[in-house]
Amino acid sequence: SQELEQSPQSLIVQEGKNLTINCTSSKTLYGLYWYKQKYGEGLIFLMMLQKGGEEKSHEKITAKLDEKKQQSSLHITASQPSHAGIYLCGADNAGGTSYGKLTFGQGTILTVHP
Amino acid sequence: KAGVTQTPRYLIKTRGQQVTLSCSPISGHRSVSWYQQTPGQGLQFLFEYFSETQRNKGNFPGRFSGRQFSNSRSEMNVSTLELGDSALYLCASSREGKGNQPQHFGDGTRLSIL
Repeated sequence: SQELEQSPQSLIVQEGKNLTINCTSSKTLYGLYWYKQKYGEGLIFLMMLQKGGEEKSHEKITAKLDEKKQQSSLHITASQPSHAGIYLCGADNAGGTSYGKLTFGQGTILTVHP
Repeated sequence: KAGVTQTPRYLIKTRGQQVTLSCSPISGHRSVSWYQQTPGQGLQFLFEYFSETQRNKGNFPGRFSGRQFSNSRSEMNVSTLELGDSALYLCASSREGKGNQPQHFGDGTRLSIL
C-alpha cells in the first residue's frame, strides 16, 4: 500500500462548483505540503501545514491538517478552469532528519469544465 | 527572484549511454533534492545535497549519482541508461532541507531513452 494515499485519483467538475481532495499518511506526519502541477511541468508550491488543526488559505484554495488522523484536505471554492491540473500532496515523515526528502501521493487530476 | 532552473528541458538518449542533468537552485538555497517522476511510480526521491554533501538517498541503484558545487548548483548523473529510466527528473531547492521549509521545484528535464 502507498505511504501517502490521495483521493480521488481524478475529479471532473463544472466551473463554479466546490471540491475537496484528501491526503492520508500511513506514517507520522511532521509536515504536509500541497503542490499543483501542469502536465509535464514542475510543481508549484501552494501551502505548507505543520500543526494539527492548522488551516491555510490562498485565494480560493483552503487546506487543513488533522494531525490525529494523519490526514489533510484541500478544498477549492467556486472552481475555475485555471484550477485544472494535477494536485499532489507531499509529506515530511522524518521530522528533523528529513534532509530534503518528501514522500508524495499519486496525485489527483482535476478537470474543470467551463 | 529567479526560480529553480533545470537544464536541459528535453533529452533523448539510447540505452547504455550516460547523461548529466543540471540544476541551479534559488539564490540563498543550499539544499537541492532530486526526484524522478514516472506515470507508474509517481514522484520518487532520489537524493539530497547540502553544502556539497549527500545527506539523504532514496532507493535507487548506484547508476544514479549526483554532486553539488560550492555555489549550491547540483548535477545528477545516470550511467548505463535503461529504458525504464525514461522519466521527468525534477530538482527542488530549499534553504536548508529541513522539513519546515518548503521545497521549490524547477520545470524538470524530460529524459527519453530509445
